[in-house]
Amino acid sequence: EIVLTQSPGTLSLSPGERATLSCRASQSVSSTSLAWYQQKPGQAPRLLIYGASSRATGIPDRFSGSGSGTDFTLTISRLEPEDFVVYYCQQYGSSTGTFGQGTKVEIK
Amino acid sequence: QVQLVQSGSELKKPGASVKVSCKASGYTFTKFAMNWVRQAPGQGLEWMGGINTNTGNPTNAQGFTGRFVFSLDTSVTTAYLQISSLKAEDTAVYYCARRVINSYDYWGQGTLLTVSS
Repeated sequence: EIVLTQSPGTLSLSPGERATLSCRASQSVSSTSLAWYQQKPGQAPRLLIYGASSRATGIPDRFSGSGSGTDFTLTISRLEPEDFVVYYCQQYGSSTGTFGQGTKVEIK
Repeated sequence: QVQLVQSGSELKKPGASVKVSCKASGYTFTKFAMNWVRQAPGQGLEWMGGINTNTGNPTNAQGFTGRFVFSLDTSVTTAYLQISSLKAEDTAVYYCARRVINSYDYWGQGTLLTVSS
């Protein structure tokens, strides 16, 4: 089973700053299999990025994804107030899926 | 528009069973697999597995075998998650999610299951 480790656990930043979230896989993951989600309190997760770098429908261009192999990154170029929530990476391959443990982005 | 609508909150006693439903609409049900995700209180997301909506073939994640059963009724475009022999540690929000290739583009609103005596 592929284990995804996200870092940091909590990221403290101010509105307008740049956020860089990391997701490291225990073994190589196909770029087509890596996605990022945003989850606001009391809501279902929302797909932000699929295929490591493609933005889902309706996602603002301040969100971008990159990476390959075992190291992937979600970047939020300029944090808006509504971006201070939790983010998860996820991989799906060989009929199995896993999620990272999440990164909380909080207001500094 | 695509919608996944789940059944309502459940309160069950330990040892009982529960069946959570996920009604899909707005797309061809059998073209996309349906997966299930658990979120315990204050915790992260756990992939439970899912079901091929075309063949009915289920896949269970490690840790979600035996007591956890995925099923379908394609006539009413609904997927189900049944959990038997409930334990307190099954208390969580359970989400269904439509899998498109390797990610989940639509999610149900979640069903809160509380297991308590």
